Amino acid sequence: AQSVSQHNHHVILSEAASLELGCNYSYGGTVNLFWYVQYPGQHLQLLLKYFSGDPLVKGIKGFEAEFIKSKFSFNLRKPSVQWSDTAEYFCAVRAGDKIIFGKGTRLHILP
Amino acid sequence: KAGVTQTPRYLIKTRGQQVTLSCSPISGHRSVSWYQQTPGQGLQFLFEYFSETQRNKGNFPGRFSGRQFSNSRSEMNVSTLELGDSALYLCASSLGPGPGNEQFFGPGTRLTVL
Repeated sequence: AQSVSQHNHHVILSEAASLELGCNYSYGGTVNLFWYVQYPGQHLQLLLKYFSGDPLVKGIKGFEAEFIKSKFSFNLRKPSVQWSDTAEYFCAVRAGDKIIFGKGTRLHILP
Repeated sequence: KAGVTQTPRYLIKTRGQQVTLSCSPISGHRSVSWYQQTPGQGLQFLFEYFSETQRNKGNFPGRFSGRQFSNSRSEMNVSTLELGDSALYLCASSLGPGPGNEQFFGPGTRLTVL
């Protein structure tokens, strides 16, 4: 069965630290990949997406993600986090007609 | 442009009852998807509607159903509520189906089943 795994359920970092959130999926065919963010009290919103082409995609607010096909991974990165990045982050994979979300990673940034 | 709206925002029901949740997509969006969000399972896809037709369905029992109207507004219904149905139900709209169309999420309806 198709699945999406986010390895870290809860991450705590200090401001200016670098961030990498892991996402792995299981599906052998063509996929579209997404990272969503949910800030406290706000709606889910799209951070970035990968459909094809350059496997390194850049999103809003300085986030980027790299698609590594051989590893079935789509990790999210940010070189220097800010307190305002405190949120829950969801990786999602569209495989065929279905979209599957990971269980989310809660990121807490210490000021 | 107004975002996706969901009503009601909060709902408390008892086991065995049924509930109907409503979603109004962004103007011009014709595709609506529904998700269930719980702390243990994260976001799980319920179903997707486009042009009043259900295009996709997730792995939920038949107690969960939905429909879409000609104005693209959508409703989902859960019959014979169970305690485990307590969750945040999210609606997302997009211009059309398919991965090329970004989904915009609403604030959700928080359903509590007692």
